[in-house]
Amino acid sequence: QSALTQPRSVSGSPGQSVTISCTGTSSDVGAYNFVSWYQQHPGKAPKLMIYDVTKRPSGVPDRFSGSKSGNTASLSISGLQAEDEADYFCYSHSGTYIVLFGGGTKLTVL
Amino acid sequence: QVTLKESGPALVKATQTLTLTCTFSGFSLTTYGMRVTWIRQPPGKALEWLARIDWDGDKFYSTSLKTRLTISKDTSKNQVVLTMTNMDPVDTGTYYCARMGHGWELDPWGQGTLVIVSS
Repeated sequence: QSALTQPRSVSGSPGQSVTISCTGTSSDVGAYNFVSWYQQHPGKAPKLMIYDVTKRPSGVPDRFSGSKSGNTASLSISGLQAEDEADYFCYSHSGTYIVLFGGGTKLTVL
Repeated sequence: QVTLKESGPALVKATQTLTLTCTFSGFSLTTYGMRVTWIRQPPGKALEWLARIDWDGDKFYSTSLKTRLTISKDTSKNQVVLTMTNMDPVDTGTYYCARMGHGWELDPWGQGTLVIVSS
């Protein structure tokens, strides 16, 4: 299975909104509502930000939201803050026990 | 509070076998639906799923690494062990373990352990 496709980088100014896409296929992102998103600051472990496409774990600000259309899932961040600068990875179930990660997107807050 | 922590050698030589231990607390791997997964991340690169072990003993492996990986659990010690044979410098990276509960998301993750493979 191939990795999910994410843009290598996105950027935005404080207070603005950004969206990170995650494109898969009809066998993974398009087939299941089991997409999750992880935030990773340099040298730190990934942190779950969104699961099951749209659900937010407790403690994650509601500035973070997820959606899906066809084979593409998206993570949106509104009201950008400096602390949001990090790498973001998407992840999807792909049938039976298979899971796939995206290549990661570096978010820069200008 | 659920926590996981990886441990193992920081440096291994090519062709050697790597053994990593994930020690966890706050949940039991005998509880229905609980699973522990191993993931790795080469420096500056994307995450790669490696293996998973379930509460009922079922084991699953990355198709590309299946012949080199073995995952096991010791429920009395709350530990999951991953072994990877025939290590190569391309296996250098940070190795993480994470809990997978009833859903498919990984939460939480351990802090990771950096493994460098020398030639």
